[in-house]
Amino acid sequence: DSGVTQTPKHLITATGQRVTLRCSPRSGDLSVYWYQQSLDQGLQFLIQYYNGEERAKGNILERFSAQQFPDLHSELNLSSLELGDSALYFCASSVAGTRGNEQFFGPGTRLTVL
Amino acid sequence: GENVEQHPSTLSVQEGDSAVIKCTYSDSASNYFPWYKQELGKGPQLIIDIRSNVGEKKDQRIAVTLNKTAKHFSLHITETQPEDSAVYFCAASGPDRGSTLGRLYFGRGTQLTVWP
Repeated sequence: DSGVTQTPKHLITATGQRVTLRCSPRSGDLSVYWYQQSLDQGLQFLIQYYNGEERAKGNILERFSAQQFPDLHSELNLSSLELGDSALYFCASSVAGTRGNEQFFGPGTRLTVL
Repeated sequence: GENVEQHPSTLSVQEGDSAVIKCTYSDSASNYFPWYKQELGKGPQLIIDIRSNVGEKKDQRIAVTLNKTAKHFSLHITETQPEDSAVYFCAASGPDRGSTLGRLYFGRGTQLTVWP
């Protein structure tokens, strides 16, 4: 158990819908990262937050957004869902937001868009 | 950005044998190289990492080596056991250029199967 929690574990929804994925980092970690894992793209970095502020953006679609709250939990919002958004979404956390910090992953949320 | 290549994509070994997974990276500014193990239905688990000021690091049956000149690093698992069966990912930290703070660049993964 990494100490990072994610809910829900599974999510099934229809195209065009909007969903919210939630992540709680390990106790003491200030930085949260979101990654998408699909068979064709592998593990892709989406976005990073540090202590409530956005720090880095990767291959995140405009239909996707995220935020980190004062209690440090984070939410990833996915809207206007398409079939191709079906994937595993992982949250990871680290103590600081800088390069070289160990990142610990949560169990993931499996999103299925029908 | 950084590009991480990982080989092989699948690896089958007999229990007790050694397994080696290799990765190359493109950006010489990368300085942190973690390895993750992902079991079916679970998130990636950090198993070992190495920083650019070190050439080799060991932790019981696993070891990682880094060759900065050639820009490649490898994971070595000795005395493999069936419970080592999983997908293994290598990653690199990439350059420290503001917008890439903290993110990891991952290889495509190696499915390791250890036969009893």
